[in-house]
Amino acid sequence: KAGVTQTPRYLIKTRGQQVTLSCSPISGHRSVSWYQQTPGQGLQFLFEYFSETQRNKGNFPGRFSGRQFSNSRSEMNVSTLELGDSALYLCASSPGARGNTIYFGEGSWLTVV
Amino acid sequence: GEDVEQSLFLSVREGDSSVINCTYTDSSSTYLYWYKQEPGAGLQLLTYIFSNMDMKQDQRLTVLLNKKDKHLSLRIADTQTGDSAIYFCAGASNTDKLIFGTGTRLQVFP
Repeated sequence: KAGVTQTPRYLIKTRGQQVTLSCSPISGHRSVSWYQQTPGQGLQFLFEYFSETQRNKGNFPGRFSGRQFSNSRSEMNVSTLELGDSALYLCASSPGARGNTIYFGEGSWLTVV
Repeated sequence: GEDVEQSLFLSVREGDSSVINCTYTDSSSTYLYWYKQEPGAGLQLLTYIFSNMDMKQDQRLTVLLNKKDKHLSLRIADTQTGDSAIYFCAGASNTDKLIFGTGTRLQVFP
């Protein structure tokens, strides 16, 4: 069974640009959530999607958005990139019922210059 | 508010047991998880425990939960050099929103 797949793995963007990151969950999983990891702030929750609906949202500015498609694949977008957006962005998937095992992908490393 | 605390570093000799501790403030945390992160990699789920359990054992891993003190620990028996990594505990209530600790860097020396 394939794990959580994130693309791209590495990318470099310029301040002011936007970026879209993609996540394919484990087959059969309906919940996808996103996290940002930085040395200063650690692991912070961005948002969670279940059956194409945002079920939960973290404390990030509106520049951070996401969506989920009918096949459970998810994308997150960051507009008007800032240097502080440089981070590892992690996607996680679970079957969606409460208290399920939550598996993470390898992450997308974003560098903003 | 929600907060999860961990000690930053732990150094153990190969073959010894490692115990990584975690305290959490959110009493509504229903599920508690342990993840391992190696350099440049994502998070690997090691194990998890429901809040109505006191202990869970999975091969070399033992999780102990003291709900009264909101204290969680992960014991790794016969620690190997391949166990060197950062270990995160995380809590979740009834969603997939995980609140992570700061992570404990485990260093295993021969």
